[in-house]
Amino acid sequence: QSALTQPRSVSGSPGQSVTISCTGTSSDVGGYNYVSWYQQHPGKAPKLMIYDVSKRPSGVPDRFSGSKSGNTASLTISGLQAEDEADYYCCSYAGSYTLYVFGTGTKVTVL
Amino acid sequence: QLQLQESGPGLVKPSETLSLTCTVSGGSISSSSYYWGWIRQPPGKGLEWIGSIYYSGSTYYNPSLKSRVTISVDTSKNQFSLKLSSVTAADTAVYYCARHPYSGDYYMDVWGKGTTVTVSS
Repeated sequence: QSALTQPRSVSGSPGQSVTISCTGTSSDVGGYNYVSWYQQHPGKAPKLMIYDVSKRPSGVPDRFSGSKSGNTASLTISGLQAEDEADYYCCSYAGSYTLYVFGTGTKVTVL
Repeated sequence: QLQLQESGPGLVKPSETLSLTCTVSGGSISSSSYYWGWIRQPPGKGLEWIGSIYYSGSTYYNPSLKSRVTISVDTSKNQFSLKLSSVTAADTAVYYCARHPYSGDYYMDVWGKGTTVTVSS
């Protein structure tokens, strides 16, 4: 099972929107509505930001939203803030044998 | 508030077995609603799911690591453990433990802070 493909980096100015893509296959992203997104600041543990493609856990700002089309999922950060600068990883359920596959990770830079 | 804490040796010699423990506090590992998993992150690289265990002992392993991985649970201590055999430098990573739903959903909502393991002689 190969890692899901994400852009290495994206950037935006404060207040702007950025979108991170996560491309997999019909065996993972395209086959199930179980895509999650994690934010990771340097030296810290990942934090769940989105689950089930588009659901937000309690406490996550509504600036964060998720979607999916075919084999590609997306995370959009609207109204970009300085504290959003971090690495972001997508993750998908990949079936009862592999269970989870992560994306390659995207560094979000706030200009 | 549920917390997870990884512990174990920070340095392991090549060809030996890496052993880590995750202690669950603020909740019971015997909850019927969750699996307990291990995830690792090599320096400067992405996340990799290693495997997960249910309190009953039922396990799932990443096929790429399955031949070297054993995950076990000790409900009396509210802990679960990871053993990775025949380690090489490629196993150097930060190792995290995390919780994920038992069935019908797939995401990791509570994570430990991580522990760094270096494989070197």
